[in-house]
Parts: sequence; C-alpha cells; structure tokens
Amino acid sequence: GAVVSQHPSRVICKSGTSVKIECRSLDFQATTMFWYRQFPKQSLMLMATSNEGSKATYEQGVEKDKFLINHASLTLSTLTVTSAHPEDSSFYICSAKRTASNSPLHFGNGTRLTVT
Amino acid sequence: KNEVEQSPQNLTAQEGEFITINCSYSVGISALHWLQQHPGGGIVSLFMLSSGKKKHGRLIATINIQEKHSSLHITASHPRDSAVYICAVQPMDSNYQLIWGAGTKLIIKP
Repeated sequence: GAVVSQHPSRVICKSGTSVKIECRSLDFQATTMFWYRQFPKQSLMLMATSNEGSKATYEQGVEKDKFLINHASLTLSTLTVTSAHPEDSSFYICSAKRTASNSPLHFGNGTRLTVT
Repeated sequence: KNEVEQSPQNLTAQEGEFITINCSYSVGISALHWLQQHPGGGIVSLFMLSSGKKKHGRLIATINIQEKHSSLHITASHPRDSAVYICAVQPMDSNYQLIWGAGTKLIIKP
C-alpha cells in the first residue's frame, strides 16, 4: 500500500486564492521531504527540500514567498501556493525518505492544481 | 546535452514482448532510481540501484557504474505496464536532489 499520502489529488481554485497541499508519510518518519512540479510533457523539477524543524531549501528560480513549505512534524510536510495564478497550474508531487541514508524515496500520488 | 539521457522516448510493443529501456548519465552518482508514472500522474518508485542488478516480479534493473548506464527490463509485458518510465540519478553528495531523465512512454498493445 501507499506509504506516502498526498492530499488533495485534484484542486481547482480561483486566481488570487491560496491552496495548501499535504504530504504525509504513513508508516515511517521522514526527516526530509521533497516537493516537485511537473508541467505538461516535461520532467519533474525539484522545487524545494523540506527538512523537519528547519527552513526549506528552495531551488533557484522558485519563489519562497509564493510556495510556502512547512515541515512541522516527522510525518507531515505542507506546500501552500499563495496568491495562485493560472501559470501556477501544474502537477505537484512530494516524496519522502526514511531517516536511514540509503533508504529509497517514496512518492505521493501528486496533486493536479488548476487555477482559473 | 542533458546529464541524464533516456532511450527510447516512446516505445510501443505487443503484449508479451520483452521490453528494454535505457538510461545513460554523465555525472558521478551515489544511486540511480527507476520510477513509473501512470497517466493520472502518480509515481511509483520501482528500484533504487547503486550497483549490479535488482529484480522485482517481471521487472529487472541493471546498472554499470563504470559505463554510466542502466537498463530497465520488463519481461512478458502486459497492457497494464503502459506508463511513463523515468530514470533519475542522485549525484554524489547531493542529498537526494535528483537529476531526472525525460522519461520513456511505453504502450503495450493487447
């Protein structure tokens, strides 16, 4: 079964509103979670690395004030798209890894965001 | 040139055929991942490799670190194997910041 739960799977929102996406590790503690974005017919792009109890590390070109990441517990990271615009419409996926250094990544099923 | 190259980009085959998808990379890595993405977008991690070969059911993944090359094989392919298969490498000292291949879209016809 799924070890990483991502919610919601689909969301439609109006321009200017904010949307929160949750990523939960179901049966393990994830000190590190990753957020990716995928535009149509393109490969996944890492947006940020989320570390429990500390600030997220954002990739170049990703606006930290627009994409707020909170990793307040060892099983939950959230991505909030603030003041969403139509160009933020995309597929957002999270992944999580167990604490052990050689553990594999587990991916959520993704969230399809459509901003109208 | 991309740091991770997958081939082919698209592959259509008949049910039962043996499938091979290739991944070449140009950086030093600590691990290579093979992932499967279904049409709905959800991603499943198939393998994480740092050397040798792994097998899970009808899926086999191999890696040659010296040649910087990995292959994903599917034996006795089935229409439910239709998906995009993605290769991603973890550069050394990258803390899981992966470099992604563009993916191979596989269609298995009944």
